[in-house]
Amino acid sequence: DADVTQTPRNRITKTGKRIMLECSQTKGHDRMYWYRQDPGLGLRLIYYSFDVKDINKGEISDGYSVSRQAQAKFSLSLESAIPNQTALYFCATSDPNTSRYGYTFGSGTRLTVV
Amino acid sequence: QQPVQSPQAVILREGEDAVINCSSSKALYSVHWYRQKHGEAPVFLMILLKGGEQMRHEKISASFNEKKQQSSLYLTASQLSYSGTYFCGTWGDSNYQLIWGAGTKLIIKP
Repeated sequence: DADVTQTPRNRITKTGKRIMLECSQTKGHDRMYWYRQDPGLGLRLIYYSFDVKDINKGEISDGYSVSRQAQAKFSLSLESAIPNQTALYFCATSDPNTSRYGYTFGSGTRLTVV
Repeated sequence: QQPVQSPQAVILREGEDAVINCSSSKALYSVHWYRQKHGEAPVFLMILLKGGEQMRHEKISASFNEKKQQSSLYLTASQLSYSGTYFCGTWGDSNYQLIWGAGTKLIIKP
């Protein structure tokens, strides 16, 4: 099994629908992140969580919400999906000593809003 | 402050060398390098730490110049498998998460 698992892998949804993307990890890491990637662009941080009770907004949190159900689970919700939220979404985890160790990414969720 | 990567894209023939640079306007503690294949997740390559040694991953090596606040990734005798987009992520004293560069797209032709 992958260290960081994202579900679903692909999703097509209609404008205005609520959708949840899920992420679970077996790394035992406290820190989890949600990123968005648009074609030809880099990674933009949506939300991050340093433990179950600590959730923080990233640079592009508008239109998104998150839930940290357990150390191993971090979900991203789009309350009312819109077409410009069509993108590739990645979940990532890291050790608290992130400055010395890398991030581990999930395989991504390709979301299309029509 | 997002680090600046250069070049934005590079096309090589198999066996040629390339250098990708990552520069920051802030003092850095570490620099991370990742490679992403099209449609896949970024994969961690290596970390350069302040005061640390030059690192290597297969035939890819990297250096970190703390005074210049920049890191360089060296791809030697490039292979087709090196194709992808390379991202640097920087970590400074006041960071709580990596700050990512915009990426450098590397295309290797046979």
